[in-house]
Amino acid sequence: GENVEQHPSTLSVQEGDSAVIKCTYSDSASNYFPWYKQELGKRPQLIIDIRSNVGEKKDQRIAVTLNKTAKHFSLHITETQPEDSAVYFCAAIPNTGNQFYFGTGTSLTVIP
Amino acid sequence: DVKVTQSSRYLVKRTGEKVFLECVQDMDHENMFWYRQDPGLGLRLIYFSYDVKMKEKGDIPEGYSVSREKKERFSLILESASTNQTSMYLCASRNRGFLAGESYNEQFFGPGTRLTVL
Repeated sequence: GENVEQHPSTLSVQEGDSAVIKCTYSDSASNYFPWYKQELGKRPQLIIDIRSNVGEKKDQRIAVTLNKTAKHFSLHITETQPEDSAVYFCAAIPNTGNQFYFGTGTSLTVIP
Repeated sequence: DVKVTQSSRYLVKRTGEKVFLECVQDMDHENMFWYRQDPGLGLRLIYFSYDVKMKEKGDIPEGYSVSREKKERFSLILESASTNQTSMYLCASRNRGFLAGESYNEQFFGPGTRLTVL
């Protein structure tokens, strides 16, 4: 099955700086890559996703890039704010299945 | 707006008890999932169901079973609770769709049930 690795497990940045979280996957059949944000005590919520026919996608201060050849994708947050502090999960979904394969999460802390 | 609800936010049970966790979604989604979330281990899939009465094991099914008798409801059962099943349990649902042969569609999560087994 698919195996998703996520790094780093914890990340601290100063407010206004950029944050980058990286994930790798193993199954070349994976073609959908969502990112979820989970604030303390709340449920995970989708913040951005990318499909395998696209190399980059942006939504205001967040962007996701995908390198299919290298089998890795990254979340980029620019101009970080304290409300960006949360745990972020990446996931990979093979075309042939229903299961989401999640990374182990990155705890991001934005220091005011 | 998709709504996924879980029967309890917090639950305390004793070792050996049978425990039922209920999840209900109101958007007619085909797929439903049960995860457990532990620090440093992320979201691990216990079971999922792709339709009524259908179920498939996830990565950590041991000690759990599930039931999906109606489309909107997916139950997780701990047959005999043990202390190592103390965890946060998250339910999710998804409307499986296809776009040009690709599967996609967001998973919507419930608020979670914090289960403590004493």
